[in-house]
Amino acid sequence: DAKTTQPPSMDCAEGRAANLPCNHSTISGNEYVYWYRQIHSQGPQYIIHGLKNNETNEMASLIITEDRKSSTLILPHATLRDTAVYYCIVRVTYSGNTGKLIFGQGTTLQVKP
Amino acid sequence: DAGVIQSPRHEVTEMGQEVTLRCKPISGHDYLFWYRQTMMRGLELLIYFNNNVPIDDSGMPEDRFSAKMPNASFSTLKIQPSEPRDSAVYFCASTGTGGTEAFFGQGTRLTVV
Repeated sequence: DAKTTQPPSMDCAEGRAANLPCNHSTISGNEYVYWYRQIHSQGPQYIIHGLKNNETNEMASLIITEDRKSSTLILPHATLRDTAVYYCIVRVTYSGNTGKLIFGQGTTLQVKP
Repeated sequence: DAGVIQSPRHEVTEMGQEVTLRCKPISGHDYLFWYRQTMMRGLELLIYFNNNVPIDDSGMPEDRFSAKMPNASFSTLKIQPSEPRDSAVYFCASTGTGGTEAFFGQGTRLTVV
């Protein structure tokens, strides 16, 4: 599985958009980009994933560059409850196979009032 | 579904004792993952199963660690003998084949004194 690079920490003002970057320059054609987050002491929680198109769900948006070498997770209106460690993971996912989730160090997002 | 269920939530044991952690995956999921989390090493994948068969145990730190999945609804992670450096939070997660979202349990916090 390809490796990812994320900044160790970021701050964001409550109510503003949080933009979390991730580099995955060695991503291969069958690897998806996944985002998980871990709120203190809890198990990681799935946020969103994508292959090459931008994706949006009720939690966040995922913007993937055209060359797929980097992506950005966007929390449109961050709240204090979004304070967590955010993990960007690349992983194979296709019918008949499920790649393992390998977590890096992630980005600690601190949302401030 | 109640989600992935782990037991116990907390375990304190003395060095040298055997420790058994338990996990019940979500019904219908055929992949099960065991992770260990420490401040120093982050989230490490220890082993994962597909259809009750271990697929990759390269993350198991040493022979003191063993994992089994006797049926689709139950898995154990055993440490014998335990050592203080095994103190960590152990997470179990499950997903379906081709599934995009892995669901994590609440973890077992193990303290070896």
